[in-house]
Amino acid sequence: QVQLQQWGAGLLKPSETLSLTCAVFGGSFSDHYRSWIRQPPGKGLEWIGEISDGGITKYNPSLKSRLTISLDMSKNQFSLKLNSVTAADTALYYCARHIRGSRGLDSWGQGTLVTVSS
Amino acid sequence: DIVMTQSPLSLPVTPGEPASISCSSSQSLLLGNGNNYLEWYLQKPGQSPQLLIYLGSNRASGVPDRFSVSGSGTDFTLKISRVEAEDVGVYYCMESLQIPYTFGQGTKLEIK
Repeated sequence: QVQLQQWGAGLLKPSETLSLTCAVFGGSFSDHYRSWIRQPPGKGLEWIGEISDGGITKYNPSLKSRLTISLDMSKNQFSLKLNSVTAADTALYYCARHIRGSRGLDSWGQGTLVTVSS
Repeated sequence: DIVMTQSPLSLPVTPGEPASISCSSSQSLLLGNGNNYLEWYLQKPGQSPQLLIYLGSNRASGVPDRFSVSGSGTDFTLKISRVEAEDVGVYYCMESLQIPYTFGQGTKLEIK
């Protein structure tokens, strides 16, 4: 049974950097893409970006200039950094793993609420 | 970006009755390999989303067979043959054909 556990700072000031990490337990870490998704309070889902085993990343163009997703295969972890946050970045952030050979997200983290406020 | 449109946005259902949710995309999600790059998710209250359907028609592990899908290209339907209390939540379709992957607005299913 695969489990994703995520953590990171939950309260940021405008212009600071959002930093989250997601660890994968159980199952296989390799041969799966991994994504980050966010959900503003009371709203729908927004795909942020993904990373492959080889560290190849694809980002949502709306966030690309501020976004870095990275991978640490030795620790079975992947991370998200979003620079220069504003109140518009306030959301519940999820990490998720793709089904092997598909873009379906079959395992999700518990979510981390990140609030940006002065 | 591909625009995903769901209907209805709110769906009250009596337990044991069927339910269906429509999802349309602004461009075809069907590739030459025969796969539709469309997923369905259910977000139960207070929980992370869970995958129901991937690549258009494949039920994810553990998903009951009362969930089925139809459609191809730009128009898709998720059907629940007999709604149960545990099916309440918000249903999202998501295209995974083109970056950025985009979600529909969500359909909130509630029990009457």
